[in-house]
Amino acid sequence: NAGVTQTPKFRVLKTGQSMTLLCAQDMNHEYMYWYRQDPGMGLRLIHYSVGEGTTAKGEVPDGYNVSRLKKQNFLLGLESAAPSQTSVYFCASRLAHSYEQYFGPGTRLTVT
Amino acid sequence: SQKIEQNSEALNIQEGKTATLTCNYTNYSPAYLQWYRQDPGRGPVFLLLIRENEKEKRKERLKVTFDTTLKQSLFHITASQPADSATYLCALVNAGNMLTFGGGTRLMVKP
Repeated sequence: NAGVTQTPKFRVLKTGQSMTLLCAQDMNHEYMYWYRQDPGMGLRLIHYSVGEGTTAKGEVPDGYNVSRLKKQNFLLGLESAAPSQTSVYFCASRLAHSYEQYFGPGTRLTVT
Repeated sequence: SQKIEQNSEALNIQEGKTATLTCNYTNYSPAYLQWYRQDPGRGPVFLLLIRENEKEKRKERLKVTFDTTLKQSLFHITASQPADSATYLCALVNAGNMLTFGGGTRLMVKP
């Protein structure tokens, strides 16, 4: 089992550029999440999904979009990157009947 | 507004001692509380979950308490080792079944 994987590991964008972060899990988890982690602010939920084809907004969804076309994949899109989106992004997943979340290794994104 | 507070200052202790980390929360009535460990450059790893009707939970050298009156959880590592050095995150499960994380406390165990 690879667990939760994230692609890419690092990325530098210029303001206004777009990109997609990919999260994949091989544990057949129903729920998937995207968080961002900034110094001193902890992990904040961006968007989440409770199943294939469904997504919902979290605490800080502005500037991001997501899609869950397949159960094992959860994509996070930035349509027009801003310096405020410089952060480390973590994907997580869990089974529907368990609160334990499994996290990926993170993507470090810098927007200049 | 809902708030979770963990000591942002690093906790430095000597190997073999017990480390105690604190998680305080306000404006919450969480059904569950979790603790995660995070190493530099890596994602958090789940350690323990404690329910609101449980006062204490143990796992090997780890112990978590949950006081819903004080709105506080304590996380203990007994016989600490340098390998326990990491950042520890407290997370609350709210009514929407979402996790809200504290900012974490960095623990440094010196040999």
